[in-house]
Amino acid sequence: SAVISQKPSRDICQRGTSLTIQCQVDSQVTMMFWYRQQPGQSLTLIATANQGSEATYESGFVIDKFPISRPNLTFSTLTVSNMSPEDSSIYLCSGGHTKDEQFFGPGTRLTVL
Amino acid sequence: SQQGEEDPQALSIQEGENATMNCSYKTSINNLQWYRQNSGRGLVHLILIRSNEREKHSGRLRVTLDTSKKSSSLLITASRAADTASYFCATAGANSKLTFGKGITLSVRP
Repeated sequence: SAVISQKPSRDICQRGTSLTIQCQVDSQVTMMFWYRQQPGQSLTLIATANQGSEATYESGFVIDKFPISRPNLTFSTLTVSNMSPEDSSIYLCSGGHTKDEQFFGPGTRLTVL
Repeated sequence: SQQGEEDPQALSIQEGENATMNCSYKTSINNLQWYRQNSGRGLVHLILIRSNEREKHSGRLRVTLDTSKKSSSLLITASRAADTASYFCATAGANSKLTFGKGITLSVRP
């Protein structure tokens, strides 16, 4: 298994600002992903974080809005840029040693005013 | 687009009863997974069933998979108040990416 932590756990931000969320895994994982969960909704995959290269984004998500870094096999960051109230969500990272099983972080609850 | 669709959307049962949740999906899969989420927190992985498996058990959990009907069910036996949570099914294709359903809200009354 893998234990995943995220920082911050929650934040309240002003419109137009940016927030960087950190995801730390206690062991090296092959794959890391970032998800968004809007209020009362399911999880939507934002992107696959690739170690040492640009992230792979899903339809509807772009690098300018959600830049992602993954400098090594245990760490990744997601930045939510130029935030608006519509970005208020829980953001979760996940990671796994195999392609079958992913372990999720506790999430970052973001509120944009 | 959503791959998994769970039903019912909400389920309320008495402690000690069994809870059955269903998930349907549209395209072929490598495996199907069930997760639990407590009150807006992170997801906890419950169980994974591969496309060549039909049934799997883990403690009080039993999951079935019918690939011909593209459906799965999660049974929680002898439910407890602590089982109150949202439950999501997620399908994994060849690219390992998970696609989540909308979730089922389970309330277990003490």
